[in-house]
Amino acid sequence: EADIYQTPRYLVIGTGKKITLECSQTMGHDKMYWYQQDPGMELHLIHYSYGVNSTEKGDLSSESTVSRIRTEHFPLTLESARPSHTSQYLCATGDRAGQYFGPGTRLTVT
Amino acid sequence: RKEVEQDPGPFNVPEGATVAFNCTYSNSASQSFFWYRQDCRKEPKLLMSVYSSGNEDGRFTAQLNRASQYISLLIRDSKLSDSATYLCVVNIGSYGGSQGNLIFGKGTKLSVKP
Repeated sequence: EADIYQTPRYLVIGTGKKITLECSQTMGHDKMYWYQQDPGMELHLIHYSYGVNSTEKGDLSSESTVSRIRTEHFPLTLESARPSHTSQYLCATGDRAGQYFGPGTRLTVT
Repeated sequence: RKEVEQDPGPFNVPEGATVAFNCTYSNSASQSFFWYRQDCRKEPKLLMSVYSSGNEDGRFTAQLNRASQYISLLIRDSKLSDSATYLCVVNIGSYGGSQGNLIFGKGTKLSVKP
């Protein structure tokens, strides 16, 4: 099972602030993903990466951006947070056996 | 038609019951299949992969029917701890290929009662 870490676990922040959600993994997986999930709702893929310097947008339009400068690190940034960004953000890594999720960051924008 | 469809439930069953979930997928080129489990307000966790020949892991059995494009999950002797949402997941790309993203179903909620 992958070791994947996300910080912060919980974040309450005001509208207009810039935030970066951190995701790191120690398994050396090339593939990494960001999902957004509202309570009781389905997962939506917002970004993914197949390796260093590779980033792609997912199925759900998102105002966030990502970077992949190192294999183990895949941060997600919101330049100007809005209440509509309130959600849970889940980072995952992947190999042939499936995807492995971090514990998530629960974001509340007031 | 959605790419991956599941009955949202909830399935309310007594302890010890056998319960089965089905999931249908629309892309006939789908390559690999999984069941994930998600507890309330937690991250999804891989429960098992689904192989063409079917596979079993303890009380859990997964089966794939490519002709009808559905997969199933059978849970025998349900425990209280089995209460969760079960997500059907389909990969439309080949292993390691550029289309290797997973498509998640909305999930089926299971509640096992004493």
